[in-house]
Amino acid sequence: ETGVTQTPRHLVMGMTNKKSLKCEQHLGHNAMYWYKQSAKKPLELMFVYNFKEQTENNSVPSRFSPECPNSSHLFLHLHTLQPEDSALYLCASSGSGAGEETQYFGPGTRLLVL
Amino acid sequence: AQSVTQPDIHITVSEGASLELRCNYSYGATPYLFWYVQSPGQGLQLLLKYFSGDTLVQGIKGFEAEFKRSQSSFNLRKPSVHWSDAAEYFCAVHRYNDYKLSFGAGTTVTVRA
Repeated sequence: ETGVTQTPRHLVMGMTNKKSLKCEQHLGHNAMYWYKQSAKKPLELMFVYNFKEQTENNSVPSRFSPECPNSSHLFLHLHTLQPEDSALYLCASSGSGAGEETQYFGPGTRLLVL
Repeated sequence: AQSVTQPDIHITVSEGASLELRCNYSYGATPYLFWYVQSPGQGLQLLLKYFSGDTLVQGIKGFEAEFKRSQSSFNLRKPSVHWSDAAEYFCAVHRYNDYKLSFGAGTTVTVRA
């Protein structure tokens, strides 16, 4: 599927590194999301952007810094991460009107923090 | 607060047999309901959704789900599973006019030959 793309698909980083995850949606949506999926835990919503404005920060540590320059692109900047941050990071997008709440997901970035 | 419960962590089913995955939610009003599937190493793919209307909804890959208001349930079914249906399945609930999805913990389906 090419509706929502994420790069890179895999990332290994040390705790002192700085890296960024990228998400791009080609669906004409105005809302974008970051989720964290850890083993044996439910999906955790991290951030929500609607029309480029952040509308939700679900008590995420400041070592995760989102950026939404436009409605099609979403970034997650990572710095000084901890090993427990290793997980699959999923991006999603949806419309913003009534009846447009269906979220479409990208393939995810598998992150390993050493 | 709303919650989504998928009582079965793991289900094993024979190829060609029927499959039913359970989902219960707690929320005061009828929310929007979704089923997603996730194959290993992949993102979540939408199988089907219920917003209103006919309580039996058809989805992709031969799946269907039935919304039962009295039981606060939205169970997923497939009459005859294929080996490619082995995956993890997530039920999700979306409050009306809210941008947040609440997910169940997921049910892993194993298909044996």
